[in-house]
Amino acid sequence: DIQMTQSPSSLSASVGDRVTISCRTSQSIDNYLHWYQQTPGKAPKLLIYATSNLQSGVPSRFSGSGSGTDFTLTISSLQPEDFASYYCQQGYSTPFTFGQGTRLDIK
Amino acid sequence: EVQLVESGGGLVQPGGSLRLSCVASGFTFSSYWMNWVRQVPGKGLEWVSRIYIDGGRITYADSVKGRFTISRDNAKNTLYLQMNSLRAEDTAVYYCARDLGYCNSAVCSTWGQGTLVTVSS
Repeated sequence: DIQMTQSPSSLSASVGDRVTISCRTSQSIDNYLHWYQQTPGKAPKLLIYATSNLQSGVPSRFSGSGSGTDFTLTISSLQPEDFASYYCQQGYSTPFTFGQGTRLDIK
Repeated sequence: EVQLVESGGGLVQPGGSLRLSCVASGFTFSSYWMNWVRQVPGKGLEWVSRIYIDGGRITYADSVKGRFTISRDNAKNTLYLQMNSLRAEDTAVYYCARDLGYCNSAVCSTWGQGTLVTVSS
């Protein structure tokens, strides 16, 4: 199974800050790395698929990069609605594992 | 509007069974891979199972293999998850999720609201 290491597990930031979340996989997954956002009590929402492709309707302040085993989600300027949990997921091989999640709180 | 609505969750005793359903609308259900993903309240996401458009290819997480069965009825636009031999550690919110359709990668682009399964005596 492909292991996912997401960091940090939690992060405090302010509106307007630039933040990055990292995701490392135990083996190469080509570009099949996806990012989700989840707010409390709601279902996850797809933000970015295949490393860097913005899902329809997602603001352009979200971006993704990386390759092979190291990937990054960047939020360029935090907005109040961005304080949530974020998960990476590999879609390369079964089981399609998720990272442990990053909780982004208001500082 | 693309929509997924799960049902069938509830309280069940250890060793019991439950069948979850997910009714799809707003898209051509028979054209998409479908998934089940679960989440223990307050914890992270765990992918459970995935099924190809015609049900011909199915995969499971090791944690549910041999106990859970995913299936679909394209005529009814419905995805199912039959859960047998339930354990306390199966307690979670269960989401059905539609694949994006990007290559063959499992990308969950649309999610239902989730249904809570509680396994307890």
